[in-house]
Amino acid sequence: KAGVTQTPRYLIKTRGQQVTLSCSPISGHRSVSWYQQTPGQGLQFLFEYFSETQRNKGNFPGRFSGRQFSNSRSEMNVSTLELGDSALYLCASSVGREETQYFGPGTRLLVL
Amino acid sequence: DQQVKQNSPSLSVQEGRISILNCDYTNSMFDYFLWYKKYPAEGPTFLISISSIKDKNEDGRFTVFLNKSAKHLSLHIVPSQPGDSAVYFCAAVEGNTPLVFGKGTRLSVIA
Repeated sequence: KAGVTQTPRYLIKTRGQQVTLSCSPISGHRSVSWYQQTPGQGLQFLFEYFSETQRNKGNFPGRFSGRQFSNSRSEMNVSTLELGDSALYLCASSVGREETQYFGPGTRLLVL
Repeated sequence: DQQVKQNSPSLSVQEGRISILNCDYTNSMFDYFLWYKKYPAEGPTFLISISSIKDKNEDGRFTVFLNKSAKHLSLHIVPSQPGDSAVYFCAAVEGNTPLVFGKGTRLSVIA
């Protein structure tokens, strides 16, 4: 079974731009969660989607948004990029909301 | 206010010896705990988990111990191998709420 895939793997943007990251979960997984990893902060939860509905949201500004499609694929969008948004963005999928999460390789975003 | 803390940012262990990674938490409502391992340029990989109704779970060289009264869990790796060198994240969850991660401990296993 293919793992979680994320595209693109690397991205360079400038301040003020917006970016869309994509995540394809493991086949059969309906829950997708997004995390931001920065040095010294560990993994911080962004949001969780299950059956196309946002179920939980972390403590991030409204510039961060996401959605999930009927095939469970998910996208996250960051508008008006700031230098501090430079991070590794990780997507994780699970069969259900209380099941073990499996992570993709991440998208490394650099904002200049 | 960190609910899950990994107080040791790094740990060095000789090959063949035991590695012990520690994790403390503050939320007594956490009912499930997980350990993930992360190599550079890869996403975290699930390693082992434990439910709050247990105090030990073993999987090969990896054992997780949970001490609920102390709100403490630990991951033991025996014997440690160079391939175990990675960053280890402890995570905890309460019901349907999101996973809460610690900041990670970088383990270096020296040959």
